[in-house]
Amino acid sequence: AQSVTQLDSQVPVFEEAPVELRCNYSSSVSVYLFWYVQYPNQGLQLLLKYLSGSTLVESINGFEAEFNKSQTSFHLRKPSVHISDTAEYFCAVSERNTGGFKTIFGAGTRLFVKA
Amino acid sequence: EAGVVQSPRYKIIEKKQPVAFWCNPISGHNTLYWYRQNLGQGPELLIRYENEEAVDDSQLPKDRFSAERLKGVDSTLKIQPAELGDSAVYLCASSLDHRENEQFFGPGTRLTVL
Repeated sequence: AQSVTQLDSQVPVFEEAPVELRCNYSSSVSVYLFWYVQYPNQGLQLLLKYLSGSTLVESINGFEAEFNKSQTSFHLRKPSVHISDTAEYFCAVSERNTGGFKTIFGAGTRLFVKA
Repeated sequence: EAGVVQSPRYKIIEKKQPVAFWCNPISGHNTLYWYRQNLGQGPELLIRYENEEAVDDSQLPKDRFSAERLKGVDSTLKIQPAELGDSAVYLCASSLDHRENEQFFGPGTRLTVL
């Protein structure tokens, strides 16, 4: 991927409200798409991924993301957030190059859930 | 199962000093990555290993950075000499193989260069 853009650096939201974290990318080849989450003082961990098949993918904790090829987007959504969802979220795109796959990360979106 | 282990977690040094970071990937993971994460940014790849071979080091500043993964297991990233601009979090990650369906990250080493 030539670039990955996360349009919002910070998203404050009240508990139980819906949220959307936006991710757009640019690439001339087929890609794999990921969302990683980083809780305070922890390493990044995979939240969900799109490799092929259904364009809507879900995580075990209620997040979902939809791959939109025409808009080159992979936005992350959750219908009702919890305080525990407060974290930084990174969109990542992997594309094949001569050495295998290369992954590029967005700058991150800090989700802050307020009571 | 143990995750990716990194040490130290924090390091404060003065500029021009050397520093080294250590990473032990998840057992059985052939691919190992070193990333640098600057404040307010996402991780940027420095180097990727397939077993003991560095297959992508195009973003590694080779004048001062070096890395090794001698037995294809744990790895060391070194900076010598460190500069103020090297202050960042250095992340190590591993995956089963180069297809990168999922990378597992360590907690990182936060480096502060004074």
